[in-house]
Amino acid sequence: KAGVTQTPRYLIKTRGQQVTLSCSPISGHRSVSWYQQTPGQGLQFLFEYFSETQRNKGNFPGRFSGRQFSNSRSEMNVSTLELGDSALYLCASSLGYRETEAFFGQGTRLTVV
Amino acid sequence: AQSVTQLGSHVSVSEGALVLLRCNYSSSVPPYLFWYVQYPNQGLQLLLKYTTGATLVKGINGFEAEFKKSETSFHLTKPSAHMSDAAEYFCAVSDQAGTALIFGKGTTLSVSS
Repeated sequence: KAGVTQTPRYLIKTRGQQVTLSCSPISGHRSVSWYQQTPGQGLQFLFEYFSETQRNKGNFPGRFSGRQFSNSRSEMNVSTLELGDSALYLCASSLGYRETEAFFGQGTRLTVV
Repeated sequence: AQSVTQLGSHVSVSEGALVLLRCNYSSSVPPYLFWYVQYPNQGLQLLLKYTTGATLVKGINGFEAEFKKSETSFHLTKPSAHMSDAAEYFCAVSDQAGTALIFGKGTTLSVSS
């Protein structure tokens, strides 16, 4: 079956703009988590959604937000982009809430100029 | 609070040599422990995980790891390195309450012929 699909794969935005990233989980998976990966900070947890509700949130400013739809697809939005938001954003899906195994997508590479 | 320390940001081995990637964790609750591998411009792939039970965990591609509670360690090993093992490896920990993963900074494994 298809894996986790993230779109777009690459994105270039200008400082101050906003951006929306999309994640389609593995079919049947209902939990989606988002992570930011940068060379300096490494992999950091952003948030987790299950049944259209945010269940867990990492330590990121309010400019970072997300949502999950009834078909489990998820989007994350970053408003007022800063240069430091340049990163690989990874989405992971799990079968349910509090599952131990997460399957990652290939990520969206966001560059802010 | 949980944390993960990966000793050595870069490890180099010869093809056929033993691979040992070190991971120490800190957790106030019994941890769930994971090793992920990331190839360039790709997402994360789960190598193996420890939840409960047997402390020696076997994963994909010949990798294994041993959970040592007394040493708070979860080192990753492979008896004989292949060129295809060259990648970045991440150790991660989560608590029993959810799937938010706390990652180490990663170890880049280089394999020379």
